[in-house]
Amino acid sequence: EAGVAQSPRYKIIEKRQSVAFWCNPISGHATLYWYQQILGQGPKLLIQFQNNGVVDDSQLPKDRFSAERLKGVDSTLKIQPAKLEDSAVYLCASSLDSGYGYTFGSGTRLTVV
Amino acid sequence: SNSVKQTGQITVSEGASVTMNCTYTSTGYPTLFWYVEYPSKPLQLLQRETMENSKNFGGGNIKDKNSPIVKYSVQVSDSAVYYCLSGCPNSKLTFGKGITLSVRP
Repeated sequence: EAGVAQSPRYKIIEKRQSVAFWCNPISGHATLYWYQQILGQGPKLLIQFQNNGVVDDSQLPKDRFSAERLKGVDSTLKIQPAKLEDSAVYLCASSLDSGYGYTFGSGTRLTVV
Repeated sequence: SNSVKQTGQITVSEGASVTMNCTYTSTGYPTLFWYVEYPSKPLQLLQRETMENSKNFGGGNIKDKNSPIVKYSVQVSDSAVYYCLSGCPNSKLTFGKGITLSVRP
């Protein structure tokens, strides 16, 4: 089975610039998650989608971060404008049922300079 | 609310057995997961423990319960970060901070 696809793998931008990440989950997985993993820390949930609806975005910095999942499949996470503290790996994961765990993508490593 | 606690770092020699602890608190009946993160690789599921197949079944409020993972005869290639996650059905998973396992040749 194909895994969770993410792109790009790496991105370097200057502060105040904008950036977007893309995620294609496993086919048939209704739930999609975006996590932020800062170096040395465990992943932190940013947003959870169930199909194309938002289930939990309580930890998403909505003044600069936005995410969408049109048609309930692919998803895009955007940061505008970026800050230095946004430097992290952004992980996408999908699941059929959270009781069985998640499948994670390889992540996008963002460096803001 | 849910929380997961893990210690930070373990260093052992090749061939040793190692126990990595995960202490969790939950208000529901969580499923416990262990994931491993190898350098430059996606997180991979190692182990899943549900209330139905664990000794923890019977309580709706769990406080500071330990759910360890044991690796026997570890190799250098087992060096990685091991994450424990706790989650209730249809809710988000709570990550621990991870345990960095270093195996010396």
